[in-house]
Amino acid sequence: EPEVTQTPSHQVTQMGQEVILRCVPISNHLYFYWYRQILGQKVEFLVSFYNNEISEKSEIFDDQFSVERPDGSNFTLKIRSTKLEDSAMYFCASSPGPAAGYTFGSGTRLTVV
Amino acid sequence: QKEVEQNSGPLSVPEGAIASLNCTYSDRGSQSFFWYRQYSGKSPELIMSIYSNGDKEDGRFTAQLNKASQYVSLLIRDSQPSDSATYLCAVNLSGGSYIPTFGRGTSLIVHP
Repeated sequence: EPEVTQTPSHQVTQMGQEVILRCVPISNHLYFYWYRQILGQKVEFLVSFYNNEISEKSEIFDDQFSVERPDGSNFTLKIRSTKLEDSAMYFCASSPGPAAGYTFGSGTRLTVV
Repeated sequence: QKEVEQNSGPLSVPEGAIASLNCTYSDRGSQSFFWYRQYSGKSPELIMSIYSNGDKEDGRFTAQLNKASQYVSLLIRDSQPSDSATYLCAVNLSGGSYIPTFGRGTSLIVHP
């Protein structure tokens, strides 16, 4: 079964450092997303990406965040200057259409120290 | 504020029983409804999507949607211990966005 692949599975970084989280969506999906889940809390939307541009973003997705699709397969989330409160599980997801259910990747656990 | 509400549980049912999970949402214009299962420490996994009123069945799972009453439910028949997980309801709250809002999830425990 096709899957969404995320790397790394766990990243520890110093506060103020830049991190890049990587994702390979399902190849025939057109819509890509980043979500995060702080431990014990809800899954929260960050950003959606379609046709090589951001289609929607939440209030969480401020100037410290950026996304990129550098080639035909990878989809990345960059956090420029990490804060302690950025510690969370970050999930990449993809879907074949805008109203379809998502396939989530296994997540990257980001720990900011 | 537009919300998706779920009872956090835990909901405890014996093996073989029917587990009933409920979700209410605040936006009458919502069009797309999803149930995801999330095991502890893992990512959400799509179980069901439902778009129109009524029931939708897939194996042991049945999603029920009532737009007039603004609720969506998930029934799990013949519950197994492997069904023990948190079940997340996600609803596309209208206003031109397809992005679903997730509820906090209901923890289900199926005991042998």
